[in-house]
Amino acid sequence: KNEVEQSPQNLTAQEGEFITINCSYSVGISALHWLQQHPGGGIVSLFMLSSGKKKHGRLIATINIQEKHSSLHITASHPRDSAVYICAVRSSGSEKLVFGKGTKLTVNP
Amino acid sequence: EAGVTQSPTHLIKTRGQQATLRCSPISGHTSVYWYQQALGLGLQFLLWYDEGEERNRGNFPPRFSGRQFPNYSSELNVNALELEDSALYLCASPPRGREMQYFGPGTRLTVT
Repeated sequence: KNEVEQSPQNLTAQEGEFITINCSYSVGISALHWLQQHPGGGIVSLFMLSSGKKKHGRLIATINIQEKHSSLHITASHPRDSAVYICAVRSSGSEKLVFGKGTKLTVNP
Repeated sequence: EAGVTQSPTHLIKTRGQQATLRCSPISGHTSVYWYQQALGLGLQFLLWYDEGEERNRGNFPPRFSGRQFPNYSSELNVNALELEDSALYLCASPPRGREMQYFGPGTRLTVT
């Protein structure tokens, strides 16, 4: 079992829909990251969370430390949101990031 | 402010050869992380350099090595290339004392 599990693996939505991507992890963590990877390969850091909730534009990230679970929400999705979304955790006491396998999101116009 | 840069963009090598990949962090950032993203697999941590020293490495064989220069740029070397080394190699640098990582565009290595 991977330390970081994401669901769903693939997600197709219509423009305007509300999107939720989930991340579960099995270790104690000091931080959780949400990353966005576009088809060319470039990666953008969206959020870094250690507790609670963060919002940036149409993106919202939440984390529940007790349940070892995080969600990334996209409101009013748009075709330009189409990308792979990757969850990564830093284990407590470690400098290494451990990555989920990503969720491929396709938003159709 | 220039972002993290990597070179080359693409690299094609044959099995058994050596590959050298380069990364320049954002000005003022002293740490460089290297990651491998093989086809069908998630990102995996490779190496971490900080202040010129290797601080940690992932579960990769010694064929994967690197160094960090006094200007904080970094080089990743892969010796005795194998077909399964074909992957996108990404480097990232966090601001000093901060968690967020800024990624470079990656080098796509193809081993034939």
